[in-house]
Amino acid sequence: EVQLLESGGGLVQPGGSLRLSCAASGFTFTTYAMSWVRQAPGKGLEWVSGISGSAGTTSYADSVKGRFTISRDNSRNTLYLQMNTLRAEDTAVYYCAKGSDSSSRYFFDLWGRGTLVSVSS
Amino acid sequence: EIVMTQSPATLSVSPGERATLSCRASQSVSSNLAWYQQKPGQAPRLLIYGASTRATGIPATFSGSGSGTEFTLTISSLQSEDFAVYYCQQYNNWPRTFGQGTKVEI
Repeated sequence: EVQLLESGGGLVQPGGSLRLSCAASGFTFTTYAMSWVRQAPGKGLEWVSGISGSAGTTSYADSVKGRFTISRDNSRNTLYLQMNTLRAEDTAVYYCAKGSDSSSRYFFDLWGRGTLVSVSS
Repeated sequence: EIVMTQSPATLSVSPGERATLSCRASQSVSSNLAWYQQKPGQAPRLLIYGASTRATGIPATFSGSGSGTEFTLTISSLQSEDFAVYYCQQYNNWPRTFGQGTKVEI
């Protein structure tokens, strides 16, 4: 079955760190770019970060640049998001999303169920 | 950054009726436009890509049109399971940006 399964969310204090993971299965992981997309409570979708299939290219939203790091382990079919210096406004459900192909212009054709990150003292 | 603006914010329709949702980009995104459906407590699901191509398993009641800066998602005959929030998203430029969503309600 083709699926993405996120983990690693939880409650963290402002200024703290958290690492999210996304385990992929059912497709050739290395072929596809991947992204993280978040959704604050009651709000819309916000793209956070993306990484190419080879991990050679990464990109970030301005809101997280310098604080978050995306990476992937293609031998483990796993995507990561290291989140440092967390702020209250980072509180959201974080979704792992599969890119549609290996090009630079890809949409998201598969989403995980999401993992909730809450930043609060 | 390309700003995506959806209208209306909320659309009230009855089952069996037609729904038309709009999405406007602040600059041309060619046909690199996708639509997603999200139901409460669920992840988004891809409906349309390339502005007009239905994703696998999406019924023909869903159709997309447009190019450049103006796009439309049409649901020809609303079923109960179609009541949800719909988002457009451009994938022509970085950063990827989404519209704020249109809630389709009874």
